Amino acid sequence: AQRVTQPEKLLSVFKGAPVELKCNYSYSGSPELFWYVQYSRQRLQLLLRHISRESIKGFTADLNKGETSFHLKKPFAQEEDSAMYYCALMDSNYQLIWGAGTKLIIKP
Amino acid sequence: DAMVIQNPRYQVTQFGKPVTLSCSQTLNHNVMYWYQQKSSQAPKLLFHYYDKDFNNEADTPDNFQSRRPNTSFCFLDIRSPGLGDAAMYLCATSVSVLGGYTFGSGTRLTVV
Repeated sequence: AQRVTQPEKLLSVFKGAPVELKCNYSYSGSPELFWYVQYSRQRLQLLLRHISRESIKGFTADLNKGETSFHLKKPFAQEEDSAMYYCALMDSNYQLIWGAGTKLIIKP
Repeated sequence: DAMVIQNPRYQVTQFGKPVTLSCSQTLNHNVMYWYQQKSSQAPKLLFHYYDKDFNNEADTPDNFQSRRPNTSFCFLDIRSPGLGDAAMYLCATSVSVLGGYTFGSGTRLTVV
């Protein structure tokens, strides 16, 4: 079955500390994975996609096919990173399968 | 310079009274999506259009319909809203089925 799992509903870290938001997937083909972010009272927006191999707002995510993971990382958290983060997988019908989301809170 | 615009931002409707939510885009994207998002949950795809081709998700209730009269506009019609339909409704577009999505700000629907 195709599935995206974000094991943490809530993650709270101090400003300046490293952040890792976990995402694991189950997919039989070659996955295309995304991270979306939703800041408070703002629209859901694309943060990054694995195919681009880019760093956005200091965040990176590496696809690990052996561990079927696509964890989102940032070495030094900032208060403005507080938001809801969703990991998503594009399936064979080109539809997004969403994880349940992780709420990230950065404490001052 | 909002590129996917949803109106209204907040909509209150009576139980059973038909309601229409609208979405417009200035991106000229081929694909448009309607999602339902309930509190603390991931978005749930209701349907999408690839150009004029309509694709309904198998578990989307018949109560929900959609229209896309042209590339720029897409509407979500809820024929008889129930209390369980109260949610945030998100419109999204994509240049192709392979692209990342651009979301609108959403319409929060309240059913009274």
